[in-house]
Amino acid sequence: DVKVTQSSRYLVKRTGEKVFLECVQDMDHENMFWYRQDPGLGLRLIYFSYDVKMKEKGDIPEGYSVSREKKERFSLILESASTNQTSMYLCASSLRGFSTDTQYFGPGTRLTVL
Amino acid sequence: AQTVTQSQPEMSVQEAETVTLSCTYDTSESDYYLFWYKQPPSRQMILVIRQEAYKQQNATENRFSVNFQKAAKSFSLKISDSQLGDAAMYFCAYRYRGGSNYQLIWGAGTKLIIKP
Repeated sequence: DVKVTQSSRYLVKRTGEKVFLECVQDMDHENMFWYRQDPGLGLRLIYFSYDVKMKEKGDIPEGYSVSREKKERFSLILESASTNQTSMYLCASSLRGFSTDTQYFGPGTRLTVL
Repeated sequence: AQTVTQSQPEMSVQEAETVTLSCTYDTSESDYYLFWYKQPPSRQMILVIRQEAYKQQNATENRFSVNFQKAAKSFSLKISDSQLGDAAMYFCAYRYRGGSNYQLIWGAGTKLIIKP
């Protein structure tokens, strides 16, 4: 069974803290994604990675960085958390290839920055 | 730039009835995928149905079917015999088939409420 897990369901941090959100998939997928979900805005891509150590910026990369040292793990880093980064963060993964690009999602991390 | 629009922020339907969720998109490409994803409350987002733009036949998955109108750039989702478990946020998404960018373009979502 396909599985994407995220390190925390709920997280509360203070302004200025460094925040790590981790995502692990067990499907040997090449592609991994970090999204931010806000009401009325749908999902917005922050970063995605198509291979180990490879990354590409999405629509809203400012204030975020990512790390992919192993194929199964993709981390999102908030270098200095701010209140406007309070949101739901979703991780997803998919196989590389045009016909097999269904994205599988983790349960999400609801981050509150005080 | 491609965009996806879901004009209904919220819909409600009586259990066992049929409901249609609307989605329109804008693209200059001719080869692409369209998706409907479902996000139940406090649960993971899952794929409901997908459609390849080159296929004229509308995709169907059990009680879920789409009405794909390529010329009108419309991609609606029909849910037949609605069940309480269908209550969720539904997102429409688009992906260009060519190139190496795997990015999905997402609509804002429609919240579906099922009345018992």
